[in-house]
Amino acid sequence: GQNIDQPTEMTATEGAIVQINCTYQTSGFNGLFWYQQHAGEAPTFLSYNVLDGLEEKGRFSSFLSRSKGYSYLLLKELQMKDSASYLCAVRGEDTDKLIFGTGTRLQVFP
Amino acid sequence: DTAVSQTPKYLVTQMGNDKSIKCEQNLGHDTMYWYKQDSKKFLKIMFSYNNKELIINETVPNRFSPKSPDKAHLNLHINSLELGDSAVYFCASSQDLLAITYEQYFGPGTRLTVT
Repeated sequence: GQNIDQPTEMTATEGAIVQINCTYQTSGFNGLFWYQQHAGEAPTFLSYNVLDGLEEKGRFSSFLSRSKGYSYLLLKELQMKDSASYLCAVRGEDTDKLIFGTGTRLQVFP
Repeated sequence: DTAVSQTPKYLVTQMGNDKSIKCEQNLGHDTMYWYKQDSKKFLKIMFSYNNKELIINETVPNRFSPKSPDKAHLNLHINSLELGDSAVYFCASSQDLLAITYEQYFGPGTRLTVT
């Protein structure tokens, strides 16, 4: 079967760093995406990894290890507006579709 | 200048009714999708169209029928609505089905409540 696991909820303090983990077991692998979804809004694209290693984009970085079936999203200098759900999604051997995890709800406190 | 738009944003209806949700994208993308997000926030693909042709039908009941009149539009018609159909439905689009690095752009969602 295909499975993507993320923690359900995390909390952090403004200005801190938080790491959101994602582990996956899929038939084949053709890339991993991270999306951000604020409450009541649409998911928006954050990052894409297909090769092992770290991709950095401003305050956000995403890491991938294909051999371990593992990724994380690193958020630095947290701001209140970073309070949202973070969705990990994998494109498996069926490249027509993304398989989403259940998302991690992050709450940032002052 | 909205990229992916959906109407209506909210839809409240009774069991047994038939309803439609419309989606349009002005990004020039070739591929469009319908997703269902349930109360636990799990986002699951339902359908995918590429240039008006059905690519994915993810074991969705045949009460759900997508229609793509052109590659900028993908509508979703639901017959005989059931309580379990209550969810948020997201339309999305991406540039090219074969260019698998391209991300998907999501519409604002339609919150469907069946009473």
